[in-house]
Amino acid sequence: DTEVTQTPKHLVMGMTNKKSLKCEQHMGHRAMYWYKQKAKKPPELMFVYSYEKLSINESVPSRFSPECPNSSLLNLHLHALQPEDSALYLCASSQLPGLAGKETQYFGPGTRLLVL
Amino acid sequence: GESVGLHLPTLSVQEGDNSIINCAYSNSASDYFIWYKQESGKGPQFIIDIRSNMDKRQGQRVTVLLNKTVKHLSLQIAATQPGDSAVYFCAENSSGGSNYKLTFGKGTLLTVNP
Repeated sequence: DTEVTQTPKHLVMGMTNKKSLKCEQHMGHRAMYWYKQKAKKPPELMFVYSYEKLSINESVPSRFSPECPNSSLLNLHLHALQPEDSALYLCASSQLPGLAGKETQYFGPGTRLLVL
Repeated sequence: GESVGLHLPTLSVQEGDNSIINCAYSNSASDYFIWYKQESGKGPQFIIDIRSNMDKRQGQRVTVLLNKTVKHLSLQIAATQPGDSAVYFCAENSSGGSNYKLTFGKGTLLTVNP
């Protein structure tokens, strides 16, 4: 099973709203990722969690706040977003890179976010 | 800076034909490569990967070829079907950088005509 699930599938929010995106995987992966994808563009890395600790923040604005409550769950809290933040937000997970080398990242279906 | 790019942004083929999607990379330290398929409205789906100690890897109807000499990667899809219509991204990771960071190519839109 290589399934990563994300909720909600679609989200519309105003610039003053607070909302959260959720991601879950049951593959035993200890690395989880948030990506942002604009239309007709490749995914852009936002955050990486390794062993439930934030290991990479790609200079993402503080209006995006990630959280990893446990090894299966990853949240992205949204507050005071701008219309240009409208995009597809993708969650991914992978085994931890180790002696065997790099590991494949498996993506969820994404949350389509529209900020009005 | 280092980048991964694609030769062709769009590719249109007839059903049953073989498709070849190309990807050029510039980082000589790249040592892990992945092909993803992304259908409209969905997340990227893993197709196949290859490490730099190999030059060819086969899956079900797909073959990835890696030419390290010219820094070129290709995805071959045999007997292309309408369900193969999607955007295909190559992605790479390089030694010496973060093991977590993938660099994606721009993507190729594959259209399969029935």
